[in-house]
Amino acid sequence: AQSVTQLGSHVSVSEGALVLLRCNYSSSVPPYLFWYVQYPNQGLQLLLKYTSAATLVKGINGFEAEFKKSETSFHLTKPSAHMSDAAEYFCAVSDSAGGTSYGKLTFGQGTILTVHP
Amino acid sequence: DSGVTQTPKHLITATGQRVTLRCSPRSGDLSVYWYQQSLDQGLQFLIQYYNGEERAKGNILERFSAQQFPDLHSELNLSSLELGDSALYFCASSAMTNTEAFFGQGTRLTVV
Repeated sequence: AQSVTQLGSHVSVSEGALVLLRCNYSSSVPPYLFWYVQYPNQGLQLLLKYTSAATLVKGINGFEAEFKKSETSFHLTKPSAHMSDAAEYFCAVSDSAGGTSYGKLTFGQGTILTVHP
Repeated sequence: DSGVTQTPKHLITATGQRVTLRCSPRSGDLSVYWYQQSLDQGLQFLIQYYNGEERAKGNILERFSAQQFPDLHSELNLSSLELGDSALYFCASSAMTNTEAFFGQGTRLTVV
C-alpha cells in the first residue's frame, strides 16, 4: 500500500521568499512521485514528476523537488515566491510498475500556499 | 487546457436522485480515472477503466458505477444520492507511455 503525508495544511510566505512544501511518502515498491497544483475552481495541473531518473526534478513555474530515498521525502521548493503561486498543492504517489495504471494516484491532503505582498 | 473534458461543470440535485457525469479523455488516451475531492476525504481514487474494461477500483461506493464506451469516453453514475456525496468529481486520462495523468476541470456536484 502507498501513502503520502504532506506536512502543514497551510503555508504562508512573503513574496520573494523561499517556498518549501513538505511531502513524505510510504511505498512498498519504487515509487513514482508527483506534485500537482490546483488553482481555485480549476482542475489539477502537473508541476513536476519523479520517475526514477534524476533525483532533482525541475518543473514548471520555477518549482523543483528532490527525491530522497533515505528520508522517503519529495519536498517541493521554489527560490522566490510570486503572488501567482498562491494555490493548493498536492503531492501524489503511484506504483512504478504501473503500466496501464500510471494515473492511479494516492494523494496527500494538500497544502494551501498563501503569498503575502 | 489539459485536453480532458468533463460535463457538466456544475450539478445541483436532490437527495435520492441519480446523476451521470461525463468525461472525454485526451485524444489517444486509453485509460480513464475518476477521483472524488471532498473536504472530509480529500482527493480519493474511485475507479479506472482501460480501453473499455474496468482495471482498478478504489473507494467507490456500491451506489456509484462507471463505464467506458467504445469511443473511450466515460460516464460516472451516482445514484440514491446523499448529502455527503456533494463533492468535486474529477476525471483524468493517461496513455500507457505517460507516467502521469491529465485532469479535467471537474464536475461540482451539490446534493440538497
